[in-house]
Formats: sequence, structure tokens, C-alpha cells
Amino acid sequence: GQQLNQSPQSMFIQEGEDVSMNCTSSSIFNTWLWYKQDPGEGPVLLIALYKAGELTSNGRLTAQFGITRKDSFLNISASIPSDVGIYFCAGSWGGADGLTFGKGTHLIIQP
Amino acid sequence: EAEVAQSPRYKITEKSQAVAFWCDPISGHATLYWYRQILGQGPELLVQFQDESVVDDSQLPKDRFSAERLKGVDSTLKIQPAELGDSAMYLCASSFRDSSYNEQFFGPGTRLTVL
Repeated sequence: GQQLNQSPQSMFIQEGEDVSMNCTSSSIFNTWLWYKQDPGEGPVLLIALYKAGELTSNGRLTAQFGITRKDSFLNISASIPSDVGIYFCAGSWGGADGLTFGKGTHLIIQP
Repeated sequence: EAEVAQSPRYKITEKSQAVAFWCDPISGHATLYWYRQILGQGPELLVQFQDESVVDDSQLPKDRFSAERLKGVDSTLKIQPAELGDSAMYLCASSFRDSSYNEQFFGPGTRLTVL
């Protein structure tokens, strides 16, 4: 099945640095979601975006719904050790459709 | 805080055996999803229920996989017979009825290993 293109695949950063990752699609989505997954656990919803151009924050996390509706960005400010994990973007065409996921960005933080 | 429950958390089986996974969604969530996540990939939808009805099972390998949600609450996903390629994390998610925003909440998953 289709998967979204996430980049980078992995990031090695220092504690306290800001992080940026993005997600692109060949198709338009009406909803973009960002999840974080720890090893051996299910994904946890971080941020949901519903309108093109929308910018939404959740603590140190900020995400944007691209104007073209084919991309989304996630930024993490002042990273801390517990931010380690895999970040997934997911798109939905609407309603209660199943989500289409990216392959994830693996975030590794060096203290 | 309300959570999606799944069991077992881990399952090891031999190929050609039957396995079953159970999911209890967040109370009041009418829509239930089963996803499969292969190591290093994002989750992929297998089947979606609205109450007790299947809405989308286009990606479910129906020759060996079956899913049911008889009373519109909890759900069971079965594989018979299991194959080596079925080794993966099986995730259940739920969302509120008629959600225009499609916020899906995931359970902890069942890690299946087929030997």
C-alpha cells in the first residue's frame, strides 16, 4: 500500500537542540496526524491538523499542515532525552478512513 | 485515562498454527481499526469496523485472516494458518463515532513471531 515519504530517516542530535522533520505525499490529505512510538509500544497521538496552512502546538512540539495539502512538518524545540523514539506522520482523506503512514523518523538524542 | 486494550502483548507460534488477538477499544468509540506494522515500517490498515459492520477489509488477506466485532465493542483478529511472513506488530486503534477529524488512538499492540 501507499506510504508517505518522511525525512530524514534518522536524526542524531544533542540534547537541547531543535528538531525538524517533514512528510510529503503525492496525494492530497484532509487531515494530517503526527504520532510518536516507543520500542514495543503502540503509536501515541501528538498533534492533529485539519486545515491547510494550520499551525498547531503541543508544548515543545509544533506542526504545520502544508498549503498544498500534500505535506506536513513537525518541529521539536529544546529536545530532551525522553523525546527519543520514532515519529510517524499519517494522512487521512476524511471521515473515519484508515490512516496512511510514513516510514518514520528515528530520533536519537546524545546527552 | 481511557485506553485501548490489547492481548496478548507477545505471541510466539509455529507456522501453520492458528493465532488470535483481542482488542477492547476506548469506551464509546464506534470505529475500530486493525493495523499491521512490519519492523522498520509504518502501520498499514488491515480492516476497519463501524460498530459491528466491516467498512473496509480490502487489505485483509482473507484466505488466512479473519476479523470480527460481534457486539460492536471488542474485536478479535485471527490468522489461520500462520506463515513466517506474518511476523509483525498487530495494532488496534479506535476513534469516536462520526469523527470528522479522524483522531485514532492506538493500543500497545501484539508482537507476533512465527517460527
